[in-house]
Amino acid sequence: DIQMTQSPSTLSASVGDRVTITCRASQSISSWLAWYQQKPGKAPKFLIYKASSLESGVPSRFSGSGSGTEFTLTISSLQPDDFATYYCQQYSSYPYTFGQGTKLEIK
Amino acid sequence: EVQLLESGGGLVQPGGSLKLSCAASGFTFSDYAMSWVRQAPGKGLEWVSNIKTNGVSTYYGDSVKGRFTISRDNSKNTLYLQMNSLRAEDTAVYYCAKRGVWEAFDSWGQGTLVTVSS
Repeated sequence: DIQMTQSPSTLSASVGDRVTITCRASQSISSWLAWYQQKPGKAPKFLIYKASSLESGVPSRFSGSGSGTEFTLTISSLQPDDFATYYCQQYSSYPYTFGQGTKLEIK
Repeated sequence: EVQLLESGGGLVQPGGSLKLSCAASGFTFSDYAMSWVRQAPGKGLEWVSNIKTNGVSTYYGDSVKGRFTISRDNSKNTLYLQMNSLRAEDTAVYYCAKRGVWEAFDSWGQGTLVTVSS
């Protein structure tokens, strides 16, 4: 199985900050990586597919990069609505696997 | 607008069975693969199962293989998850998710809670 490891597990930041979350795969997944945002008690929201393609309607302050085994999600200028938990997910091969999540907190 | 509405969750004893449903609307259901993803209380997301458009090709996570069965009825725009031999560790919110053109999960339902406890 492909293991997905996110870092950090928790990130404290302020409105207006630029933040980056890293996701590493235990083997190459090419660009078959997605990012999701989840708020407490809510379903995940789809943000990015194929590592760097922004889903329609997602603010342009979100961006993704990477290929192979190392990926990043960057939020260029944090907004109050962005404080949430973020998950990466590989869909290169079964079983599909998620990272453990990164909780983005208000500093 | 895509809508996915799960139902069928509840309290079940260990060793029991439960069948979840996911009613889809707002898109051509038969054109898209579908999935179940679960989240144990206070934990992260875990992929459970996929089914392709034809309903024949199915895939399962190791933790549910042999106990859970995914299926779909394209005439009813509905996805199912039959869960047998349930264990305490199956306690979770179960989400159905639509797999988009690029294969990621582009739409999610609101989830249904399954609690396995005596």
